[in-house]
Amino acid sequence: GEDVEQSLFLSVREGDSSVINCTYTDSSSTYLYWYKQEPGAGLQLLTYIFSNMDMKQDQRLTVLLNKKDKHLSLRIADTQTGDSAIYFCAERSFTGGGNKLTFGTGTQLKVEL
Amino acid sequence: GAGVSQSPSNKVTEKGKDVELRCDPISGHTALYWYRQRLGQGLEFLIYFQGNSAPDKSGLPSDRFSAERTGESVSTLTIQRTQQEDSAVYLCASSLPGVNEQFFGPGTRLTVL
Repeated sequence: GEDVEQSLFLSVREGDSSVINCTYTDSSSTYLYWYKQEPGAGLQLLTYIFSNMDMKQDQRLTVLLNKKDKHLSLRIADTQTGDSAIYFCAERSFTGGGNKLTFGTGTQLKVEL
Repeated sequence: GAGVSQSPSNKVTEKGKDVELRCDPISGHTALYWYRQRLGQGLEFLIYFQGNSAPDKSGLPSDRFSAERTGESVSTLTIQRTQQEDSAVYLCASSLPGVNEQFFGPGTRLTVL
């Protein structure tokens, strides 16, 4: 079955780098995603990585994928107060023939001045 | 154009009542998803519609839950005989076929007293 796990909280100082980690279990995962959820808002896709890639960089965001260990991380460089939110990783697989995403429980990032 | 919209934004109901939640996807998006987010938890897949194909209902938690979609437009999620454990935010997302990004609506917060 599919299971995605994340640590619940992360606190960083403004200007530091944040690293949010995620582990997943479904080896048939094709795409892995990072979503951001701000209070009272819907989910916003930040970035995604295809399972045959090791790394993807997009401005301040760097995604690292260790497929052997089924470990995904999101690094946010120069973290700002506006980055405070809940970050969800999600995997997309075709197990069971579906097109659904399986989400982790979310990591609440708090950025302190 | 407009994003995914959902109504109502908040719904408070008494245990045992039926509720109907509405989702308007982005025009042209043939795929539509419903998820449930319980307090402090990740998103839980409920159901997926893709065009005229049979929906993937594998995530519906019980037969009290059902969803309909007319063509490639509006979808309604119905919960019959609501229970307190149904209290959650119900999120709808839509996407183009074969495209990775799911666009999420703001959600409907359901509270069952």
